[in-house]
Amino acid sequence: EAGVAQSPRYKIIEKRQSVAFWCNPISGHATLYWYQQILGQGPKLLIQFQNNGVVDDSQLPKDRFSAERLKGVDSTLKIQPAKLEDSAVYLCASSLFGVKASSYNEQFFGPGTRLTVL
Amino acid sequence: AQKITQTQPGMFVQEKEAVTLDCTYDTSDPSYGLFWYKQPSSGEMIFLIYQGSYDQQNATEGRYSLNFQKARKSANLVISASQLGDSAMYFCAMRESNTGNQFYFGTGTSLTVIP
Repeated sequence: EAGVAQSPRYKIIEKRQSVAFWCNPISGHATLYWYQQILGQGPKLLIQFQNNGVVDDSQLPKDRFSAERLKGVDSTLKIQPAKLEDSAVYLCASSLFGVKASSYNEQFFGPGTRLTVL
Repeated sequence: AQKITQTQPGMFVQEKEAVTLDCTYDTSDPSYGLFWYKQPSSGEMIFLIYQGSYDQQNATEGRYSLNFQKARKSANLVISASQLGDSAMYFCAMRESNTGNQFYFGTGTSLTVIP
């Protein structure tokens, strides 16, 4: 079974530029998550999709970040314009079940995209 | 209030010894799950072990076991017979059933195994 795929693996941009990240979850997984992990911290949830609908985007800085999950499969996360504090690893994860599942709903993580904003 | 607290920023353990990584959590949801993940320097999060709030027994997965003390709201990870490859960041996480199943992660513990 193929894992969660993310691209690019690394990205370096200057502040005020735009950037987009792509995620392909495990086939058949209903829920997709985007996390931001700043160096030395735990992952922070940015947005959670179930199929192609947004479940939770309360911590997404909507003035500059946007995300979509087309047809309930692939997802893109965009930052426009980027700030220095956006430098982080962006992790995508997916889980098999939707939000009505029991507490066990293991997340499978992709390798992440390391963003550096200069 | 922090949902997940990991108070040990860094830990050292001798190879072949056991080590306990601490995790406490805060929730009023009766149905929740607790997870431990390992993050090596490569960056990928690797699932280690899961404990459900209604599980009567402590979870075990090979060399990993979870010391679940529900009344104290703690879910410590025990790694037995440490190996050099265990050196990594370890994150405790919780998933509540009543909040859209969002995951909350702790700040992590960096484990170094000494030969």
